[in-house]
Amino acid sequence: DTEVTQTPKHLVMGMTNKKSLKCEQHMGHRAMYWYKQKAKKPPELMFVYSYEKLSINESVPSRFSPECPNSSLLNLHLHALQPEDSALYLCASSQVGGNYGYTFGSGTRLTVV
Amino acid sequence: GQQVMQIPQYQHVQEGEDFTTYCNSSTTLSNIQWYKQRPGGHPVFLIQLVKSGEVKKQKRLTFQFGEAKKNSSLHITATQTTDVGTYFCAGPYGSGNTGKLIFGQGTTLQVKP
Repeated sequence: DTEVTQTPKHLVMGMTNKKSLKCEQHMGHRAMYWYKQKAKKPPELMFVYSYEKLSINESVPSRFSPECPNSSLLNLHLHALQPEDSALYLCASSQVGGNYGYTFGSGTRLTVV
Repeated sequence: GQQVMQIPQYQHVQEGEDFTTYCNSSTTLSNIQWYKQRPGGHPVFLIQLVKSGEVKKQKRLTFQFGEAKKNSSLHITATQTTDVGTYFCAGPYGSGNTGKLIFGQGTTLQVKP
């Protein structure tokens, strides 16, 4: 069981669609992350939120738009994606600073057609 | 730039054999973390090492952090089929206060029953 919940688990979207990925944590963590993972590769950081404020954007294209409505929720808004954006999108949370490890959600497997 | 390198990339063992994966950082790390990702799953935090020369055990898993805090290893004694998956090491980026982790490329372990 994971204490970081991601929805949906699977998503297929067209290149003109708008969709959102959702993440909720009940760990009491004040840092939340979005990672992208391609097959047989390590997770690749996209965004970091600390105390609900965006602290790191790893030069992610603007077709990915993160949002942190409160300390428990993290969204990733998707618009006009490309087929190469197909991947596993992982949400994670941790204590601020990342010490003591991340707790990852089970991920959203995204396919862009 | 800062890098974390991990070897081997793949390891196939017979059940009951031992397994070791090695992690080397281009910079001194304040801590190193280990994660396990089962096939089709998400990364799960295993442990964090902080002190120079630290050794920690979890049942059949032994984790070591090098004296210079630039390398680490994970050793599994008498592998079981439940050990199958990809093992990632990860270290904090830069000063370590941002929450950003640099992941190694991972070692994928296959265990033949």
